[in-house]
Amino acid sequence: DQQVKQNSPSLSVQEGRISILNCDYTNSMFDYFLWYKKYPAEGPTFLISISSIKDKNEDGRFTVFLNKSAKHLSLHIVPSQPGDSAVYFCAASAGNNNDMRFGAGTRLTVKP
Amino acid sequence: DGGITQSPKYLFRKEGQNVTLSCEQNLNHDAMYWYRQDPGQGLRLIYYSQIVNDFQKGDIAEGYSVSREKKESFPLTVTSAQKNPTAFYLCASSLSLNTGELFFGEGSRLTVL
Repeated sequence: DQQVKQNSPSLSVQEGRISILNCDYTNSMFDYFLWYKKYPAEGPTFLISISSIKDKNEDGRFTVFLNKSAKHLSLHIVPSQPGDSAVYFCAASAGNNNDMRFGAGTRLTVKP
Repeated sequence: DGGITQSPKYLFRKEGQNVTLSCEQNLNHDAMYWYRQDPGQGLRLIYYSQIVNDFQKGDIAEGYSVSREKKESFPLTVTSAQKNPTAFYLCASSLSLNTGELFFGEGSRLTVL
């Protein structure tokens, strides 16, 4: 069962515009959410996280929004840059890392 | 510099053979993990280890085995009992089991011929 879903396999945006990547989850026990970024031939790297007590967390150009009632989170990248082109994975956990569940990823392409 | 090293990056195996994927970390992390990635799916947990000499099955442990004899090393053996072993395998570590952020290796792609 896929408890974390990223319904858009790919997204293409123009440089300088906003990129919005979406993620839905089904398990209401999840209380910690993360985004990872993966370049080709590299392992995923941690990007940003949010705990369920917040609805927004910002780090430079990256902002994660959490809507607990809708069981939805999104990652906003503003402004998008060509170097942001990568696969973005959403993850959620309910306390321990062995409970962490991952989405299938969204491939973001930022065009110059 | 600190990180996680997986080897080999690419591996081909004949049916019926066991293969071992290496994972070494120099981050001084207690917890280590093995994930499998298949096309169109999220990462799925195979095994994890909270501390040296201890490991637990994840969601898809059948056909796999691990050991954790040293803090730095967490090798994964894909046995002949694994019915569909062709996949991309990722090793990860974290400071402890409940610190959230995982650090990943570059992955190993196993192809069964």
